[in-house]
Amino acid sequence: AQRVTQPEKLLSVFKGAPVELKCNYSYSGSPELFWYVQYSRQRLQLLLRHISRESIKGFTADLNKGETSFHLKKPFAQEEDSAMYYCALNRDDKIIFGKGTRLHILP
Amino acid sequence: NAGVTQTPKFRVLKTGQSMTLLCAQDMNHEYMYWYRQDPGMGLRLIHYSVGEGTTAKGEVPDGYNVSRLKKQNFLLGLESAAPSQTSVYFCASSLGRGFTYNEQFFGPGTRLTVL
Repeated sequence: AQRVTQPEKLLSVFKGAPVELKCNYSYSGSPELFWYVQYSRQRLQLLLRHISRESIKGFTADLNKGETSFHLKKPFAQEEDSAMYYCALNRDDKIIFGKGTRLHILP
Repeated sequence: NAGVTQTPKFRVLKTGQSMTLLCAQDMNHEYMYWYRQDPGMGLRLIHYSVGEGTTAKGEVPDGYNVSRLKKQNFLLGLESAAPSQTSVYFCASSLGRGFTYNEQFFGPGTRLTVL
């Protein structure tokens, strides 16, 4: 079954420290993966997708097919990064979301 | 452009009551989705539609019905509300399938409480 796993419900990181939000997936085909973010009092929105290979707000994510992972990374955390982050997998006409990780940046 | 809008923003129902949540989008998107968001459960897909007049079941469709009579609107109905349906409901839309088209745009959410 296609599945997205985010093992951490909450991740607390000090400002300026590196951030890594973990995501693992199971999918039999060639996966298309995303990271969505929900800031406080804002709508859920797309942060980045693996096909674009881009860096958004300093975040990057690399698809590792061997480890079936798509971890989200940022070298230096900022306070405005505090938010709920969802890893997601595209499957046909639908997107399957993980349970989410709340990132809390400590001052 | 308003993007994706949802009506109402909040609602409290008694067990057994019915209600309809309305989602509207002005981006001419083909695909529309209804999710529920519960603590520790993430976003779960209830129903979705790939075009006007079409609907399909998602992960957790029981207790809900949907209709897509117009391309811009996607209605979610609860015929007989239960406390287990207390949740935040999100609507989303996308252009369609495929890399260029499948970014989902979300509404602000509807917070529903069933007593």
